[in-house]
Amino acid sequence: AQSVSQHNHHVILSEAASLELGCNYSYGGTVNLFWYVQYPGQHLQLLLKYFSGDPLVKGIKGFEAEFIKSKFSFNLRKPSVQWSDTAEYFCAVKNQAGTALIFGKGTTLSVSS
Amino acid sequence: KAGVTQTPRYLIKTRGQQVTLSCSPISGHRSVSWYQQTPGQGLQFLFEYFSETQRNKGNFPGRFSGRQFSNSRSEMNVSTLELGDSALYLCASSSSGGANTDTQYFGPGTRLTVL
Repeated sequence: AQSVSQHNHHVILSEAASLELGCNYSYGGTVNLFWYVQYPGQHLQLLLKYFSGDPLVKGIKGFEAEFIKSKFSFNLRKPSVQWSDTAEYFCAVKNQAGTALIFGKGTTLSVSS
Repeated sequence: KAGVTQTPRYLIKTRGQQVTLSCSPISGHRSVSWYQQTPGQGLQFLFEYFSETQRNKGNFPGRFSGRQFSNSRSEMNVSTLELGDSALYLCASSSSGGANTDTQYFGPGTRLTVL
């Protein structure tokens, strides 16, 4: 069965620090990969997605992610975080034949100003 | 375009009761998926509907059911509620649900509390 692992449960950073959130998945076939964000009191929003092509994808609000097929990883990065990035971040995978998103447990990011 | 809407936003029920949650997808989207979000289990897939047919189902008991109407609106029902059913229930819509480039967009959720 597919699974998604997010390495960090809670990350605490100061503003302007760089961010990298780890995500690994287990599935041998072709997958679609997503990062969603849930800001406090708001609904789940799409940050970025990877379907094919350039393994470095850029999303909203300065976020990017790199797909490394050999490592089954899709890590999320941002060079300089802001206080407004405080949120919970979810990595998700969907196999191309399926319709269900499989989510990681999420990483809570707290950014202090 | 208006986003995914879910009603009601909050519900309080007691054990043994049943509940029905509603979801209206983004206009033009024909696939609706449901997820359960809890602190312990995270986000888990319940089921997915497309053209009024359930296409995919997660690992939940038969007390959880759903349906989709011809206008793509969807409802999910939970019968004989248990304390463990307390959760945020999220609905997501996508254009077709199965295409390689399909993306799911989420609604605000219905917060169900079972007492």
